[in-house]
Amino acid sequence: GAVVSQHPSRVICKSGTSVKIECRSLDFQATTMFWYRQFPKQSLMLMATSNEGSKATYEQGVEKDKFLINHASLTLSTLTVTSAHPEDSSFYICSARDGTPGNYGYTFGSGTRLTVV
Amino acid sequence: SQKIEQNSEALNIQEGKTATLTCNYTNYSPAYLQWYRQDPGRGPVFLLLIRENEKEKRKERLKVTFDTTLKQSLFHITASQPADSATYLCALPLNNAGNMLTFGGGTRLMVKP
Repeated sequence: GAVVSQHPSRVICKSGTSVKIECRSLDFQATTMFWYRQFPKQSLMLMATSNEGSKATYEQGVEKDKFLINHASLTLSTLTVTSAHPEDSSFYICSARDGTPGNYGYTFGSGTRLTVV
Repeated sequence: SQKIEQNSEALNIQEGKTATLTCNYTNYSPAYLQWYRQDPGRGPVFLLLIRENEKEKRKERLKVTFDTTLKQSLFHITASQPADSATYLCALPLNNAGNMLTFGGGTRLMVKP
């Protein structure tokens, strides 16, 4: 089945630094990937839609200059949290859907636990 | 935008019983509804999709119903096992025009041996 690989699984960074998270579709091509953020005991909140070869679409309230998204190929999207602050500490998850007929679900990465100290 | 409500309280049941989880939505009727399982520290895993013209969908021990009049979906796990313990999320299209999903808050299921 479709597999989405996300790295790193955990990262601790100092306040003010930047962190890059990678999301790869391993066995399918994804023109669109989605980035979510999940705070403890809360549901997933869509941050942005990553579009291969064009600009990402950000949800209301998500700062595009802080959360930089690059979707340079059909199998890779990256999320860079710039000038991270402790309030950016969260669980970040990417997802994509392959176009196989009959496959309707979205495949999620295993998530990245970001801790900003 | 769509608002999705799931029981935020954990559901505790005995092994072998049927677990029933509820998902209610408030606005437009979606073209489809999905259910996902999420284990702690992991990304969600897709379980089932049910379309607006389907009343029921089954997959092994899982059964999903979709009542567009009540704006509700029920998710059943029959013959539950401790391994079924997880958080279950329902998800709907963010709007009828796109392929983005919006998620409910999830219900944590605990199956005790």
